[in-house]
Amino acid sequence: ELKVEQNPLFLSMQEGKNYTIYCNYSTTSDRLYWYRQDPGKSLESLFVLLSNGAVKQEGRLMASLDTKARLSTLHITAAVHDLSATYFCAVANTGNQFYFGTGTSLTVIP
Amino acid sequence: EPEVTQTPSHQVTQMGQEVILRCVPISNHLYFYWYRQILGQKVEFLVSFYNNEISEKSEIFDDQFSVERPDGSNFTLKIRSTKLEDSAMYFCASSPYWTGGTGELFFGEGSRLTVL
Repeated sequence: ELKVEQNPLFLSMQEGKNYTIYCNYSTTSDRLYWYRQDPGKSLESLFVLLSNGAVKQEGRLMASLDTKARLSTLHITAAVHDLSATYFCAVANTGNQFYFGTGTSLTVIP
Repeated sequence: EPEVTQTPSHQVTQMGQEVILRCVPISNHLYFYWYRQILGQKVEFLVSFYNNEISEKSEIFDDQFSVERPDGSNFTLKIRSTKLEDSAMYFCASSPYWTGGTGELFFGEGSRLTVL
């Protein structure tokens, strides 16, 4: 079974600071997705990364994929309170079954 | 914007009772999924459905679970005899296609199941 690990599990950061969330996975895949989840809510798609070296940016978030290292990163620039949420990465197998990471709970402190 | 809708949003049931969770996927999507998330834990795959049959299922999806697409729009998850450990948020998701496409899953708002 494809295993997906995220770190850190919990992240508390001050507004204006930068930080990176890491997502490692165990077997070859060239499709990786980042989702955001607010408490009690559904999963909101943030980024779709479909090839080695893919980089996507939206506002203060930037995601990248290194398929050789089986690693994706989600970089947060100049964090603001609105970014407080849980972030999940998910890797797809050939059958489009998604394997989710453990999630990173981000709290941005004013 | 088209979205996946799920009902009920919250259901409380007694252990041993049958529960049916309903989903209306996005209309032109072809692949349908159920995932679950136990409180505070990661999202886990249950089952995928394509062309009116199960295409993949996880170890969690045992004989107590079944899925059905009774008509052209609804996609249901049935739990025959609920157990305490079935308490979770159940998410339905759909995808237009993934061969040659992004394979992105679009999730519904979830159905929270509480088994007492």
